[in-house]
Amino acid sequence: DVKVTQSSRYLVKRTGEKVFLECVQDMDHENMFWYRQDPGLGLRLIYFSYDVKMKEKGDIPEGYSVSREKKERFSLILESASTNQTSMYLCASRQPNTGELFFGEGSRLTVL
Amino acid sequence: DAKTTQPTSMDCAEGRAANLPCNHSTISGNEYVYWYRQIHSQGPQYIIHGLKNNETNEMASLIITEDRKSSTLILPHATLRDTAVYYCIVRATPSNFGNEKLTFGTGTRLTIIP
Repeated sequence: DVKVTQSSRYLVKRTGEKVFLECVQDMDHENMFWYRQDPGLGLRLIYFSYDVKMKEKGDIPEGYSVSREKKERFSLILESASTNQTSMYLCASRQPNTGELFFGEGSRLTVL
Repeated sequence: DAKTTQPTSMDCAEGRAANLPCNHSTISGNEYVYWYRQIHSQGPQYIIHGLKNNETNEMASLIITEDRKSSTLILPHATLRDTAVYYCIVRATPSNFGNEKLTFGTGTRLTIIP
């Protein structure tokens, strides 16, 4: 089975902490994405990467950065977490032939 | 990217067909229509996609109007497990993704009533 794995299902951090959310896919996909999901706002794109070491800003990149050192791993970084970054974070990768997105189970981050 | 419009919520009786509409009046010729669904506390799951012909798979059917400005996802015999948020998005052709970003709207919350 194809798989996108997010490292942590639930995290609780304090304001100002640096937070790493890891995502690994085993499908050799080039395109990977980070979204956040909040009630009433749907899925909003934070960053995406179309190849190793390549990244593009999505719709809401402020307060976030990303790292893609290896093809299978796409990391989302919160340099200094704030309470308004409390959210569900979803990682996805895209199959090149069909365009189908494969999502991880999500990481629910709470910033106190 | 073409914008999509979906109703915020819908109900459907268990065992009946659930018909979820999507409006994408600004779709361009090289854009596909994709549907995903998200069951509570899980990541979204791909359902189906199409360009202009109707499509069917084991999960659902996709009906795209001739002018391609709208589409309908059909779940033929809805079960309680189909209760989820359904997202309709439009995307460039698979062979031409390039650096295209993918954005989702708020979707339709479908509730299957026992």
